[in-house]
Amino acid sequence: KNQVEQSPQSLIILEGKNCTLQCNYTVSPFSNLRWYKQDTGRGPVSLTIMTFSENTKSNGRYTATLDADTKQSSLHITASQLSDSASYICVVSADRGSTLGRLYFGRGTQLTVWP
Amino acid sequence: DTAVSQTPKYLVTQMGNDKSIKCEQNLGHDTMYWYKQDSKKFLKIMFSYNNKELIINETVPNRFSPKSPDKAHLNLHINSLELGDSAVYFCASSQVLTGELFFGEGSRLTVL
Repeated sequence: KNQVEQSPQSLIILEGKNCTLQCNYTVSPFSNLRWYKQDTGRGPVSLTIMTFSENTKSNGRYTATLDADTKQSSLHITASQLSDSASYICVVSADRGSTLGRLYFGRGTQLTVWP
Repeated sequence: DTAVSQTPKYLVTQMGNDKSIKCEQNLGHDTMYWYKQDSKKFLKIMFSYNNKELIINETVPNRFSPKSPDKAHLNLHINSLELGDSAVYFCASSQVLTGELFFGEGSRLTVL
C-alpha cells in the first residue's frame, strides 16, 4: 500500500535553533518527492522537489535530503525564524506511466517557533 | 495577480442546503484539483480534471459534483450539506499530474 508517514507530528523549537523533519514513504514506483509549507489560513506552497537521482538540495535555510534506497527524506531548517512556524507536508509522486501520476500526502509536521 | 483564486473564502450554512465554491487559475495549467483538509490538517484529494475531463474521483459522495467549463475553471457544487462536510476545501492546479501543485487560499465551509 502506498503511504507517506511524517514525524514528528508536532515540534516546538526556540528561534535561532535548527530542526529536522522526517518523511518515510512506501510509494512505488517513485517519481519525485516535494516538501510543502502551509502557513495558518493559507494554501500549501512548494519548498523543494527531490527526484530519484538527487541526494541533497537547498533552498535558503531549508535543506532537503533524499535516500531513495531506504525511502526516506528529511527537511532541515537552519537558524529558525518565527515565520517558519507552519505545517510542513511531504508529498510523494508515483510514476506517471503505471499509476496515472498519483500524489500521496503525509499528514504534516506542525512546527512552532517560539521567540 | 493571484495564480489560483477561489471564492468564497468563508461559507457558513445550514444542514441540507446546497452550496458552490468557485475556482479559477491563470497559470495556463492543464490540470486542476479539489482537496479537502480536515480538522487534523490532512489533505485528501477529491477530484482531478485534466483539460476539462475528470481523471480522478476519490470515492467522494455523489452529493459533490465538480464542473469544469474550461481548463482555467473548476467549480465544486455540494448538495444536501451534512455536518461532516465541514472542512477547508482547497483548489489547486499543476502543469502535469506529478508536477508542483499551486494552491488557492482555501474555502472554509462550516455546516451548522
